[in-house]
Amino acid sequence: GQQLNQSPQSMFIQEGEDVSMNCTSSSIFNTWLWYKQEPGEGPVLLIALYKAGELTSNGRLTAQFGITRKDSFLNISASIPSDVGIYFCAGCTTSGTYKYIFGTGTRLKVLA
Amino acid sequence: EPEVTQTPSHQVTQMGQEVILRCVPISNHLYFYWYRQILGQKVEFLVSFYNNEISEKSEIFDDQFSVERPDGSNFTLKIRSTKLEDSAMYFCASSVSEETQYFGPGTRLLVL
Repeated sequence: GQQLNQSPQSMFIQEGEDVSMNCTSSSIFNTWLWYKQEPGEGPVLLIALYKAGELTSNGRLTAQFGITRKDSFLNISASIPSDVGIYFCAGCTTSGTYKYIFGTGTRLKVLA
Repeated sequence: EPEVTQTPSHQVTQMGQEVILRCVPISNHLYFYWYRQILGQKVEFLVSFYNNEISEKSEIFDDQFSVERPDGSNFTLKIRSTKLEDSAMYFCASSVSEETQYFGPGTRLLVL
């Protein structure tokens, strides 16, 4: 079945550092969403991408929809302790489905 | 800010028992979804629902599962005869269109 591979699986960074994570697939997606999940809570939508090549920012977060439509990256600038959590990408395929495939997640820990 | 709500937050049940998980989607949303997340794993799509019928379902959503929108506000997931492997967080999500989905806080189901 379709899979979204996220890398890295986990990151330990110092407060103030920039973070970059990405999501790749062998399938083409027509929408990419980035979510953050904190322990015991539901995923919270961070950024939505709808067009190939689209670059979108939300505060310190920037995400891009890859030109090939098979990948996306998320950058976090000047990380702070509350950025801790698991970041998931989710993609919707071009087959007209409503279901999103979630990536394997990147666990981020920020050291103060 | 409107949000998706879910009840109960935790549910413990005996294997073989029926459970009903409840969700109140965001009021002007038209598409509704259920996902599950087994502890430590990624979020998995179960089912999508639009216009009072199932739009799509995954292979996980077998005959033990059913969904219903009994009134104008609630959206429920029923598991007819729970199994140990049904233990997971169950997330409801809703969206205006089929693209940007907003998640509820989840129900943690434990089957003993």
